[in-house]
Amino acid sequence: DQQVKQNSPSLSVQEGRISILNCDYTNSMFDYFLWYKKYPAEGPTFLISISSIKDKNEDGRFTVFLNKSAKHLSLHIVPSQPGDSAVYFCASLYNFNKFYFGSGTKLNVKP
Amino acid sequence: NAGVTQTPKFRILKIGQSMTLQCAQDMNHNYMYWYRQDPGMGLKLIYYSVGAGITDKGEVPNGYNVSRSTTEDFPLRLELAAPSQTSVYFCASSYTWDSGLEPQHFGDGTRLSIL
Repeated sequence: DQQVKQNSPSLSVQEGRISILNCDYTNSMFDYFLWYKKYPAEGPTFLISISSIKDKNEDGRFTVFLNKSAKHLSLHIVPSQPGDSAVYFCASLYNFNKFYFGSGTKLNVKP
Repeated sequence: NAGVTQTPKFRILKIGQSMTLQCAQDMNHNYMYWYRQDPGMGLKLIYYSVGAGITDKGEVPNGYNVSRSTTEDFPLRLELAAPSQTSVYFCASSYTWDSGLEPQHFGDGTRLSIL
């Protein structure tokens, strides 16, 4: 039973446009939500996070939105760059010690 | 600035063999984690540790054992390798306190094949 779902396995976007990656979760008790970026043959690297008490967090070109009533979060990348091409994982944190990851969305930013 | 170091990077095992995947961090993080990632799937938590001497099960602990004798090291042991354990294994660490956390730092993974 997946507690965190990323229903789009892949996304293709033109350079300079907006990339929107989506994530749904089932457990309303999650404390934190995080996005990680992963390149081939490397471990995931942290991108941005949001606490369950907020609905938006921004860091440069990256913005994460949290809709608690819909149990949905999204990552916006504006403007998208070819170097953003990677697999993006959303993760949810329960009780500050257990992380649950989605299956990832592979983003391809075309020049 | 090594971060999280995993060894080996690749390994092929025969069914029934045993091995230990090594993980070390030099950031003085209290929490450490082991995940596995199967093709097309997200990372699934195998075991985690909140400090030296303390470990707990994650989502998929069967077939694995861990120990945490020091803050720096968190080895993962496979006692009787099975084909279902073919996967990429990631170790991670973070600093977590009562009401907050720093995001996890991941190693580059160990690709394990069991034939």
